[in-house]
Amino acid sequence: QVQLKESGPGLVQPSQTLSLTCTVSGFSLTSNSVHWVRQPPGKGLEWVGAIWSGGSTDYNSALKSRLSISRDTSKSQVFLKMNSLQTEDTAIYFCTRRLLFDYWGQGVMVTVSS
Amino acid sequence: DVLMTQTPVSLPVSLGGQVSISCRSSQSLVHSDGNTYLHWYLQKPGQSPQLLIYRVSNRFSGVPDRFSGSGSGTDFTLKISRVEPEDLGVYYCLQSTHFPLTFGSGTKLEIK
Repeated sequence: QVQLKESGPGLVQPSQTLSLTCTVSGFSLTSNSVHWVRQPPGKGLEWVGAIWSGGSTDYNSALKSRLSISRDTSKSQVFLKMNSLQTEDTAIYFCTRRLLFDYWGQGVMVTVSS
Repeated sequence: DVLMTQTPVSLPVSLGGQVSISCRSSQSLVHSDGNTYLHWYLQKPGQSPQLLIYRVSNRFSGVPDRFSGSGSGTDFTLKISRVEPEDLGVYYCLQSTHFPLTFGSGTKLEIK
């Protein structure tokens, strides 16, 4: 069955770099896009960016200068790297599949604090 | 960016009742391929969002027929009939016609 699972550090210091991994199963990254979505505590959802089945990427313009999404198809993993983190980047980060966002991971809480 | 205006913010409902949630976009969501990429999600407390309706009116696998979506262009509606306790949570619309993808701000469905 289709599954996605996010992993990464729960706490990141301001100005540092966030690295998250989304490990997927039940589908191929070469046939499906994977997106990152984040949700600050008690707030709504924000699309962060995507990596498409062919390997190209798209990013939210508000985050583009700090963001990089890549993948390792042999390990069925998608990576998110965001630098120069600020407290406003504190959020639950989800990975989800396809433009439909039909399946989601359980999310990983990232707190930016010293 | 396409602004998605979702109303109401909060929606009290009696179990067994019927409600509607509105989502309006700042520009047409009709893609050049002719499809309209407007979707609806429910986020239950402490959980990830789950897909309910895709491309305006198509129910995702396992979604009961109490949920229905309609609309076109810039004006869309999610209707829930015979509300059950499992329907409570926050509903979001999402447009994936234009980049960046944008969500509505959410509608919280709660017991009256």
